[in-house]
Formats: sequence, C-alpha cells, structure tokens
Amino acid sequence: QSVLTQPPSISGTPGQWVSISCSGSGSNIGKNAITWYQKLPGAAPKVLIFNNFERPSGIPDRFAGSQSDTSGALAISGLQSEDEAEYYCSSWDGSLNGVVFGGGTKVTVL
Amino acid sequence: QEHLVQSGAEVRRPGASVKVSCKVTGYSFTSVDFNWVRQAPGQGLEWVGWMNPTSGEANYAPKIQGRVSMTRNYSISTAYLELRSLRSEDTAVYYCVRTGLSGYYLKSWGQGTLVTVSS
Repeated sequence: QSVLTQPPSISGTPGQWVSISCSGSGSNIGKNAITWYQKLPGAAPKVLIFNNFERPSGIPDRFAGSQSDTSGALAISGLQSEDEAEYYCSSWDGSLNGVVFGGGTKVTVL
Repeated sequence: QEHLVQSGAEVRRPGASVKVSCKVTGYSFTSVDFNWVRQAPGQGLEWVGWMNPTSGEANYAPKIQGRVSMTRNYSISTAYLELRSLRSEDTAVYYCVRTGLSGYYLKSWGQGTLVTVSS
C-alpha cells in the first residue's frame, strides 16, 4: 500500500493528451513539492518534473506537472510511442521524515 | 558530468548480510543527501532511507529499520548501504540517488545493484 495514490494504468493513442493523478495528504504533497519519474524496464528512473512543475534540461515540454492542495498531476500531450513506461510520483513526507512514492502508473500507447 | 557507480550484483542466503557501494564523481560528495531506493521484481519504487554525508545522520523506512545501515567514506567519495538478516522479500534492485540542490528530489541515480536473497 503506497502512501501516494496513482491510477495503476492509463492508455492513449499517439498524439493524444493524457493525465496521471497523484493524491497524498497534508504531511507530504500538502506541504512539499511533487516529483515525477519515468521508469523504463532495466533502466534507472529519470526525473521528468521536480518542484511540482519544473523540467530538467532535455525533458520536452510535452510533459507538464501541476499541484493543488494535497494532489498533483502529470500531463503528457502529444503522446508518443516512446512514452510507454511506468510513471511514479513522489514527495517528501514530514511525518515519515523521508521520501514517499506512488504505486506507479503504467502508460500504454495503443 | 556527475556519475554514481554502484557495485555489482550479489546473491545471499536468507539471514545473511550484504553491503552495496556507490562511488560518486562529478560533484562534491558532501554537498547533498544520499537516498537509497529499491524495486522488487514486479513491484513499484520503495524508499529505503536517506543519509547526510557530512554529518552521517541517517533515517530509514520503518519497514526496514533495525536491519539497515547507511555509511560513507568521503575520502573516496563512496556511500554504502548494508542490509542485515536478509529475507526473500529483500530481493530487489537497489539504487543510490543524490538529491537535487533546489528542492528535495531524487536527481541523479546510480545504475542499480540487483540483490538476490535465495536459499
């Protein structure tokens, strides 16, 4: 049972817009920023979004993050086949004094 | 360019211990926290703990508390994760990760070390 809640899977066709939700509580997302990671099989996770909406250099602006109260979302516009991966949200949790993750969302490009 | 290079795969019996290393290059070893994250087969990402490499202060996930230690040797810019009393459910890929400077996020990841616990 993950501290942050994400949908297990979503799917879309190439070019479509999709969104992944991430729900937490006052001890994590309510007080601290959300980070989004992309995880491909056999590879280490990669940061897509940090500080709720900032993108590291090299991450296309098709990926956008948002946060409101104790929830957040990752939007992917213009879905591409290479976006097929597992996506995780994460935040600092002040009660745990550590990092918490969502359970992951498998994105399938149809 | 910063790199975190981890030690190789390990196989252990239940009840044994394992120590995974993470050597850092390309940035100041003591400038940011280390975290360790693991992913068991078919499962999601799980936070294991964090360590401040300057003070040595660490905090661990409740699930693994008492069986884990995070240490460092800053003369060789290397962090270590030791896991004791291994169980089959500790089988996972373990990642060392440095945090970002602007905000607490897991910025740069090692390549991962597979730890297999099997009798």
